[in-house]
Amino acid sequence: AQSVTQLGSHVSVSEGALVLLRCNYSSSVPPYLFWYVQYPNQGLQLLLKYTTGATLVKGINGFEAEFKKSETSFHLTKPSAHMSDAAEYFCAVSDSGGGADGLTFGKGTHLIIQP
Amino acid sequence: NAGVMQNPRHLVRRRGQEARLRCSPMKGHSHVYWYRQLPEEGLKFMVYLQKENIIDESGMPKERFSAEFPKEGPSILRIQQVVRGDSAAYFCASSLSGQGARGRNIQYFGAGTRLSVL
Repeated sequence: AQSVTQLGSHVSVSEGALVLLRCNYSSSVPPYLFWYVQYPNQGLQLLLKYTTGATLVKGINGFEAEFKKSETSFHLTKPSAHMSDAAEYFCAVSDSGGGADGLTFGKGTHLIIQP
Repeated sequence: NAGVMQNPRHLVRRRGQEARLRCSPMKGHSHVYWYRQLPEEGLKFMVYLQKENIIDESGMPKERFSAEFPKEGPSILRIQQVVRGDSAAYFCASSLSGQGARGRNIQYFGAGTRLSVL
């Protein structure tokens, strides 16, 4: 069975500061990993994904994440936070690339940007 | 190029009524997934469908819930005799292909239907 743990239900950073959202997973097979962002009253938008190959993945809006197998982690980072980054962020795992079995999501991290 | 369309966006039902949630996948997508998001929780997988077939319903409650994806028309998530605990946001996602098509089966999400049971 797969599971995802996102440390910190709320993370607050100052505008311009580094954003670090933590995600650890468990999976019995090599995982596919995803980060989604959810703005208020909207659906989820894919930020980035890891399938195979390069472990450092770049996504939209300046976000990136690094797959570390030894740490079973897939933390999301952005060098400089912007007010528009305030949203809910979800880490998800799949052992089939997000296909037949559906995605397993973490509980989400609410990112707050302080002016 | 329209994305995943869900309607209604908000649905209010009294206990015991039926709720029908609709999802039209992205153009060209034949795989649909339904998820439920309870307050302060992440999304929980409910069911995965292809046209006219339920592929995986392991996350679906055994009673009162059903889903379909007919040959023509949107996918429907149906909740009979709703109870207050059914109040949640229900999200639909679609993908171009399913298992085995690595790299091509990203799930694209709709804006969700927020169900409130009075």
